[in-house]
Amino acid sequence: KNQVEQSPQSLIILEGKNCTLQCNYTVSPFSNLRWYKQDTGRGPVSLTIMTFSENTKSNGRYTATLDADTKQSSLHITASQLSDSASYICVVSDRGSTLGRLYFGRGTQLTVWP
Amino acid sequence: EADIYQTPRYLVIGTGKKITLECSQTMGHDKMYWYQQDPGMELHLIHYSYGVNSTEKGDLSSESTVSRIRTEHFPLTLESARPSHTSQYLCASSPPHGGGAFFGQGTRLTVV
Repeated sequence: KNQVEQSPQSLIILEGKNCTLQCNYTVSPFSNLRWYKQDTGRGPVSLTIMTFSENTKSNGRYTATLDADTKQSSLHITASQLSDSASYICVVSDRGSTLGRLYFGRGTQLTVWP
Repeated sequence: EADIYQTPRYLVIGTGKKITLECSQTMGHDKMYWYQQDPGMELHLIHYSYGVNSTEKGDLSSESTVSRIRTEHFPLTLESARPSHTSQYLCASSPPHGGGAFFGQGTRLTVV
């Protein structure tokens, strides 16, 4: 069964600190993995996208890693800001269907305190 | 970032009313999706489309219906709204060769 598991479920950190969010998946055949940031009441916004051959990708203070062998990804946030408070969702696409199904993790709720 | 728009952003409506949530994208994507998301919960696929005149039901049973007459437009309709339909509805589209999805800002629906 194709699944995406994220940890931790929630996380509280102080402003300026770093943090790492985890995503494990069993989706096969794998196409790509995206990390999204979703502010409360708004649609998800893509942070990074990684394909099978990519190990790391950065977008400002966000750095995603992918280990396709162990089917694990992480999102590292550097020097957190209050505006980083949001839900971070890991989404994996398969390439075994015409639709290109998306499999969603439940998200990690990040709260950054001043 | 991508151009996908949803209207309205917020809607409060009485039970029994018919409503249509609009979703439009300007990227020419064939694949479009509707997701339902309760506060703090995960997204559930309720409808999707491969292209014009193609619509399918998703994983989560929904009393809503969709249509795809034009590539850029994928409206969702509730014939008779009920309080159980209160939720956030997110529209998304994706390019033909994978790459995940681009999401609209969502419509937060409240049925009273």
